[in-house]
Amino acid sequence: EPEVTQTPSHQVTQMGQEVILRCVPISNHLYFYWYRQILGQKVEFLVSFYNNEISEKSEIFDDQFSVERPDGSNFTLKIRSTKLEDSAMYFCASSGLTDTQYFGPGTRLTVL
Amino acid sequence: AQSVTQLGSHVSVSEGALVLLRCNYSSSVPPYLFWYVQYPNQGLQLLLKYTSAATLVKGINGFEAEFKKSETSFHLTKPSAHMSDAAEYFCAVSDSTGGFKTIFGAGTRLFVKA
Repeated sequence: EPEVTQTPSHQVTQMGQEVILRCVPISNHLYFYWYRQILGQKVEFLVSFYNNEISEKSEIFDDQFSVERPDGSNFTLKIRSTKLEDSAMYFCASSGLTDTQYFGPGTRLTVL
Repeated sequence: AQSVTQLGSHVSVSEGALVLLRCNYSSSVPPYLFWYVQYPNQGLQLLLKYTSAATLVKGINGFEAEFKKSETSFHLTKPSAHMSDAAEYFCAVSDSTGGFKTIFGAGTRLFVKA
């Protein structure tokens, strides 16, 4: 069964450093998303991406964040200058024309 | 704006007992409603979804949920809990357009006692 994959599973970085989280969505899907879950809190929407552009973003997704689909298979989330409060589990998801989003296993980001 | 409220951050049941996890939603459009399960250190797995077809929705692992518009509820049930059901459960809502965002509730952690 097709699945969304994410790398790395765990990323540790120093405050102020740039990180790139990678996702490989399901191959025939058209919509891509990033969500985050701070430890012990709810899952929060960050951004959705369609046709090579952002279709919607939340207030969390400020200028420090960017997304890209560099090669037609990967979907990346970049955080330019990480802060302590960026520590969270980041989930990638993808969907086709139907409503069901399939989530990846997540990348745990720890900012020291 | 859409929102989801899950009543009870923790629910504890005995093995074999009924599982009832409560979810109420708020939406200005006919909603799409979902239940996801998250096992420790894993991602989100879709249990079931409501998309304006049958109001009683059956999902995986014996779970089902009933959409009640009059009560704006979408409670999750399972007749008989199993130890393997211990996990975090998230109710979620989205609108019906493509590329929609999903709004999650705060989650309910289910404990199953032997």
